[in-house]
Amino acid sequence: ETGVTQTPRHLVMGMTNKKSLKCEQHLGHNAMYWYKQSAKKPLELMFVYSLEERVENNSVPSRFSPECPNSSHLFLHLHTLQPEDSALYLCASSQEGSLALDNEQFFGPGTRLTVL
Amino acid sequence: GESVGLHLPTLSVQEGDNSIINCAYSNSASDYFIWYKQESGKGPQFIIDIRSNMDKRQGQRVTVLLNKTVKHLSLQIAATQPGDSAVYFCAENYGGATNKLIFGTGTLLAVQP
Repeated sequence: ETGVTQTPRHLVMGMTNKKSLKCEQHLGHNAMYWYKQSAKKPLELMFVYSLEERVENNSVPSRFSPECPNSSHLFLHLHTLQPEDSALYLCASSQEGSLALDNEQFFGPGTRLTVL
Repeated sequence: GESVGLHLPTLSVQEGDNSIINCAYSNSASDYFIWYKQESGKGPQFIIDIRSNMDKRQGQRVTVLLNKTVKHLSLQIAATQPGDSAVYFCAENYGGATNKLIFGTGTLLAVQP
């Protein structure tokens, strides 16, 4: 257990559905992240939140909408997804929101998303 | 993990031997690097990081070496154990940009008992 939980662990959705992924961290961290891990590509950083403010959006399509209501919770709202969006979506948290030595990111187990 | 679906290079070592996993990074202006381990069915796990003003950094049984001249990063694991079997990948903060982490595809380490 890393102290970062994600729900659901598996999700199958149609292209017209709207769903949300949830992440919760129990580590008292100030920063949270969404990553995408596809079968044919390296891990991709999607969003970074620091103290509940979005500090990075790495050119992610608008059909992915993040929400960070407080420093312990992070959501990824999904709508009108495409089959190529099928991937493992990973959440992570760290003490600070900037890249620094020993500012370790702790990852959740991920949500495996399949878009039909 | 998902990255196993890629055609990953594989390093096969005997238990007890030392392992060296290599990574070539892309941007000479990148100034921060991280090594991760990902076991099957789990999220990545931070192993060790290093800044560009360092050549070497040691952790518990692991050492990261940075060669900025050839843009090369390596992870050395001493006395490799079966529990070390996983995919290992490096990440760089691309061009020194804040929070712009670019990840490598990874290497599959297989430890033979």
